[in-house]
Amino acid sequence: DAKTTQPNSMESNEEEPVHLPCNHSTISGTDYIHWYRQLPSQGPEYVIHGLTSNVNNRMASLAIAEDRKSSTLILHRATLRDAAVYYCILRHTLGGTSYGKLTFGQGTILTVHP
Amino acid sequence: DAGVTQSPTHLIKTRGQQVTLRCSPKSGHDTVSWYQQALGQGPQFIFQYYEEEERQRGNFPDRFSGHQFPNYSSELNVNALLLGDSALYLCASSSQGRNSYEQYFGPGTRLTVT
Repeated sequence: DAKTTQPNSMESNEEEPVHLPCNHSTISGTDYIHWYRQLPSQGPEYVIHGLTSNVNNRMASLAIAEDRKSSTLILHRATLRDAAVYYCILRHTLGGTSYGKLTFGQGTILTVHP
Repeated sequence: DAGVTQSPTHLIKTRGQQVTLRCSPKSGHDTVSWYQQALGQGPQFIFQYYEEEERQRGNFPDRFSGHQFPNYSSELNVNALLLGDSALYLCASSSQGRNSYEQYFGPGTRLTVT
């Protein structure tokens, strides 16, 4: 499995933007970039995913480098509820709409200060 | 919509015993994946079930086995428990159809082996 590298921890202030980086230099052409987050005492939850183009949804934005060897998850205005472990995951496509397993790394612990 | 549910919430077992954990997927989902999360680590993929068959398997010994029922619910069985099996066991459901990229996680079962 292609690996991802994330900082162990990051800090932010409430209502400020947060940029969470992820390096994935061995990414293959069939790998999608997924982001999940895990709030304290909960299971992980899906945040966003993309292949080549930048993506936006109601939770966050995903900026993908042109060579796809890195990406950045952007939280536009951090809130206290965004404090969580954020995981950057490369996920194979198995053909059609079928996706392979999620391979989690250590993730980035995001602390949000009031 | 109840989302993914898991039972029991917590469980304490003795080394050498066997344990069965249960998962009900989100309504409309037909695929169930199981993950093991040790304290301070990211979740590790155990296996995935679809159409009552194991479709993918992670690097876990044969002591870990599973089953999927016709109603899509699933069980994870672990035999000959070891102290190292103490972890949070997460169930995730998804659909092989549209929007299959997202996995929905349950709150997990905390297993303690003494």
